[in-house]
Amino acid sequence: EPEVTQTPSHQVTQMGQEVILRCVPISNHLYFYWYRQILGQKVEFLVSFYNNEISEKSEIFDDQFSVERPDGSNFTLKIRSTKLEDSAMYFCASSGWVAGGLWEQFFGPGTRLTVL
Amino acid sequence: ELKVEQNPLFLSMQEGKNYTIYCNYSTTSDRLYWYRQDPGKSLESLFVLLSNGAVKQEGRLMASLDTKARLSTLHITAAVHDLSATYFCAPYNNNDMRFGAGTRLTVKP
Repeated sequence: EPEVTQTPSHQVTQMGQEVILRCVPISNHLYFYWYRQILGQKVEFLVSFYNNEISEKSEIFDDQFSVERPDGSNFTLKIRSTKLEDSAMYFCASSGWVAGGLWEQFFGPGTRLTVL
Repeated sequence: ELKVEQNPLFLSMQEGKNYTIYCNYSTTSDRLYWYRQDPGKSLESLFVLLSNGAVKQEGRLMASLDTKARLSTLHITAAVHDLSATYFCAPYNNNDMRFGAGTRLTVKP
């Protein structure tokens, strides 16, 4: 069964460093998303991406964040200068039609980012 | 901004009992999702509700949607231990999905 994959599973970085989180969405999906979840808290929407551009973004997604689809398969989230409060689990998701005419959104396993 | 209120936030149930989780949201949404999350894991899609009056059932879980009231419910019938997890509702509108705070369900024998 197709699935969303994410690498790395865990990233440790120093405050102020740049990180790039990588995702491979499901191949025939057209909409891609990033979410984050601070430990023990709710899932927060960051950004959606369609047709090679940002479709929607939340107030969390400031100038420190950027997304890119550098080739036909990868979807990346870059944090330019990490802060302690960026420590969280970052989930990538993609959405598309599934059997039965449903529009489903599938989540990857997540990347745990720890900023020291 | 779409706001989502989910309650209760914590729910401890005895096996075999029934209960309902409520999800209220503030603005019109295209559709609403329910997800399950086990500790340390990703989100597993349970239901997608597309229209007013939609009702879906899978095993001991049943979800419904009232778009006029901006309310969705997740009903648990005859709970079993395997249902212990955190459940999130998430209304979706214009490529923007906002999650409720989650209901941490614990089912006790």
